[in-house]
Amino acid sequence: ETGVTQSPTHLIKTRGQQVTLRCSSQSGHNTVSWYQQALGQGPQFIFQYYREEENGRGNFPPRFSGLQFPNYSSELNVNALELDDSALYLCASSLARNTEAFFGQGTRLTVV
Amino acid sequence: AQSVTQLGSHVSVSEGALVLLRCNYSSSVPPYLFWYVQYPNQGLQLLLKYTTGATLVKGINGFEAEFKKSETSFHLTKPSAHMSDAAEYFCAVSVSNAGNMLTFGGGTRLMVKP
Repeated sequence: ETGVTQSPTHLIKTRGQQVTLRCSSQSGHNTVSWYQQALGQGPQFIFQYYREEENGRGNFPPRFSGLQFPNYSSELNVNALELDDSALYLCASSLARNTEAFFGQGTRLTVV
Repeated sequence: AQSVTQLGSHVSVSEGALVLLRCNYSSSVPPYLFWYVQYPNQGLQLLLKYTTGATLVKGINGFEAEFKKSETSFHLTKPSAHMSDAAEYFCAVSVSNAGNMLTFGGGTRLMVKP
């Protein structure tokens, strides 16, 4: 059984650019959540996808968007990058909406 | 709405000493509470969780936590610290009994001295 995998592990973008982060959920998991963890802070919930539909959203602007595919993998897209978007982005998958979430190792995004 | 406060961003203990990491929560509905550990350059690993029932919860690696509703607390303890316990610890709250949509505290970095 493979765990949650995220790609890339690190990337650097320029302010104003767009970025796509990817997450492969654990086998059989149909729910994916994304979190942003700024340096020295706790993770903040961005949104959750369940069976390809957004199922909940935190306090993030619309330039943060997502997708979930039929195989339950997911993407996080961020448009018009700002310096404050620099953070570790964590993906978590779970068997269903109300079961334990398993976290990937994250993608470290640096905006310059 | 819910929130979590972790008292002490850094805690230092000697190897073999008691570990106590503090967490207080605020929730408008009965909370579900979690402790996660994060090692450098890694994701989060669930240590333990409280949903309902017994208020003393035992987790992995010898950690345990006690839910105290009257004090709105969920402090994490371990009787004897090991060097491998050095990491960042996060307390989190959710209104779901599995914690898919978590509100995290700011974290506590545990340092263990030889």
